[in-house]
Amino acid sequence: DGGITQSPKYLFRKEGQNVTLSCEQNLNHDAMYWYRQDPGQGLRLIYYSQIVNDFQKGDIAEGYSVSREKKESFPLTVTSAQKNPTAFYLCASIKGRTSMNTEAFFGQGTRLTVV
Amino acid sequence: AQSVTQPDIHITVSEGASLELRCNYSYGATPYLFWYVQSPGQGLQLLLKYFSGDTLVQGIKGFEAEFKRSQSSFNLRKPSVHWSDAAEYFCAVGEMNYGGSQGNLIFGKGTKLSVKP
Repeated sequence: DGGITQSPKYLFRKEGQNVTLSCEQNLNHDAMYWYRQDPGQGLRLIYYSQIVNDFQKGDIAEGYSVSREKKESFPLTVTSAQKNPTAFYLCASIKGRTSMNTEAFFGQGTRLTVV
Repeated sequence: AQSVTQPDIHITVSEGASLELRCNYSYGATPYLFWYVQSPGQGLQLLLKYFSGDTLVQGIKGFEAEFKRSQSSFNLRKPSVHWSDAAEYFCAVGEMNYGGSQGNLIFGKGTKLSVKP
């Protein structure tokens, strides 16, 4: 079945460490997105990518990095520069390059906790 | 800047009662509007969407929403709520030309729905 897979579901990070969250889709979608979700804050856009080898910063990109070497994969690295990384992270993909009028498909999320 | 407002942070309804979740948007052109639902610890699932045409749209799980341009609203409704509807609901608008050429989804902060037996 086609879909988006995020891994791991739960992730623990020590202070000062970088961690990478995986997002893979087999929907043949062009655009992929990373959102951060905090209680009462809704979804805030971290990074997005419309095509391979290209990506754009969202509203809260500081302390995060991404790559898009393959159409199917859009990993997110939470760096030590991100001062408050504990959150629920959601990956999404969309057929085509814009999300204006197209349904977004979401992964099941990764909950990152700093210990 | 485009924005989406969901005025109600938390709503509790009795099972079998009707439901209306409010959503207001700020957008210059004709908006593309969505409602998504999220169960605890899960991703988001699309309930319904509005692009054009009939302003009353039907979605999955018995939900419907009505687009009212004059009120800049896209409220979600369900005639009779089931216990399994307890979840968080997000309204979103598809934004054109985010960053100059790409599109993006702008989400509201969500409304958490609790259902009393």
